[in-house]
Amino acid sequence: TQLLEQSPQFLSIQEGENLTVYCNSSSVFSSLQWYRQEPGEGPVLLVTVVTGGEVKKLKRLTFQFGDARKDSSLHITAAQPGDTGLYLCAETGANSKLTFGKGITLSVRP
Amino acid sequence: ETGVTQSPTHLIKTRGQQVTLRCSSQSGHNTVSWYQQALGQGPQFIFQYYREEENGRGNFPPRFSGLQFPNYSSELNVNALELDDSALYLCASSSPLFGGYTFGSGTRLTVV
Repeated sequence: TQLLEQSPQFLSIQEGENLTVYCNSSSVFSSLQWYRQEPGEGPVLLVTVVTGGEVKKLKRLTFQFGDARKDSSLHITAAQPGDTGLYLCAETGANSKLTFGKGITLSVRP
Repeated sequence: ETGVTQSPTHLIKTRGQQVTLRCSSQSGHNTVSWYQQALGQGPQFIFQYYREEENGRGNFPPRFSGLQFPNYSSELNVNALELDDSALYLCASSSPLFGGYTFGSGTRLTVV
């Protein structure tokens, strides 16, 4: 079973700061998804990356997939309080089963 | 188009009891998956249903069972509840054409 490690586990920053968080695995990802989950809600899909070296942008969020497809990063520019939440990475396995990391809890202070 | 709807939103049960959680999938989605999310953890895959058949199962005991109905809605049943079953239970629907998952808001189960 592939283990996904996310870091840091917790992050508290001031509004307007930039941040980068990471998702790593000991084996190659077939494809990787990033989700954001707010309290009391289910995860919401942000992006899917498939190709090594791929970079995708979603407004102030930039997602990068490592060349070897064993790691991924999420960079947020000028964080806002609305970015607060749990950021989860997940690998798609057999039968489209998702294997999630433990998540990164981000708090953006006004 | 409607999203994924789960009921109830919250539930308190006593150890040893049985519980049934319900999920209505997003319109056009024929695959339903169930996940358990303990506090401070990422969701863990329980099982998946496609065309009313289970087609994938995670590392959960047989007392976790499910059903999918012809309208693609689904149920998760848990027998002989244990304290460690306390968690947020998430339902997600998808379709081969969509290629991604839409999650419901979950059912918060507390076992006392």
